[in-house]
Amino acid sequence: EAAVTQSPRNKVTVTGGNVTLSCRQTNSHNYMYWYRQDTGHGLRLIHYSYGAGNLQIGDVPDGYKATRTTQEDFFLLLELASPSQTSLYFCASSDRKQYFGPGTRLTVL
Amino acid sequence: GQQVQQSPASLVLQEGENAELQCNFSSTATQLQWFYQRPGGSLVSLLYNPSGTKHTGRLTSTTVTKERRSSLHISSSQITDSGTYFCAMEGSSSFSKLVFGQGTSLSVVP
Repeated sequence: EAAVTQSPRNKVTVTGGNVTLSCRQTNSHNYMYWYRQDTGHGLRLIHYSYGAGNLQIGDVPDGYKATRTTQEDFFLLLELASPSQTSLYFCASSDRKQYFGPGTRLTVL
Repeated sequence: GQQVQQSPASLVLQEGENAELQCNFSSTATQLQWFYQRPGGSLVSLLYNPSGTKHTGRLTSTTVTKERRSSLHISSSQITDSGTYFCAMEGSSSFSKLVFGQGTSLSVVP
């Protein structure tokens, strides 16, 4: 089974703050994804990547940057966090099937 | 864009009853995956089933690609099956991207 880890698991920040969410996968999958999950909206794709240095725009990218530094590591950056970005964030990796990390709950006050 | 509709939105079962969850999609699916999420938890992949019928334990998924639908059958439901079930599909125009349905919330009661 693929292993995907995320850190931190919980984060509280203030409006305008900088936040970096980290994701690591240990199965050398090419594809990695960042989603947000909100009540009433289900899971929505923010950004994804098919390898180190690559970045693809997802369906709800506004206000988010991402960077894939290695095959294993994918980061999501919120440079000026807003309350609308309060959400549960999931990272996933894929070898056709997607495997999800445990999630990061972000609160922007 | 591509859409995934799941039904019912919620379902309450007595322990031991069977459940049938439906997923319909707006375009041909090249990939179809069912996930389970416990309240407050992560998503766990249950079945990867782009076509035909797949089984694992008490779960059976049937995907009819031409009719753009998939179902998940849960037999002999248990209280621990409670949670939300998501269907997600990848279409030919969205290579490597999954589009998720809104989920079916299942409650299994004694």
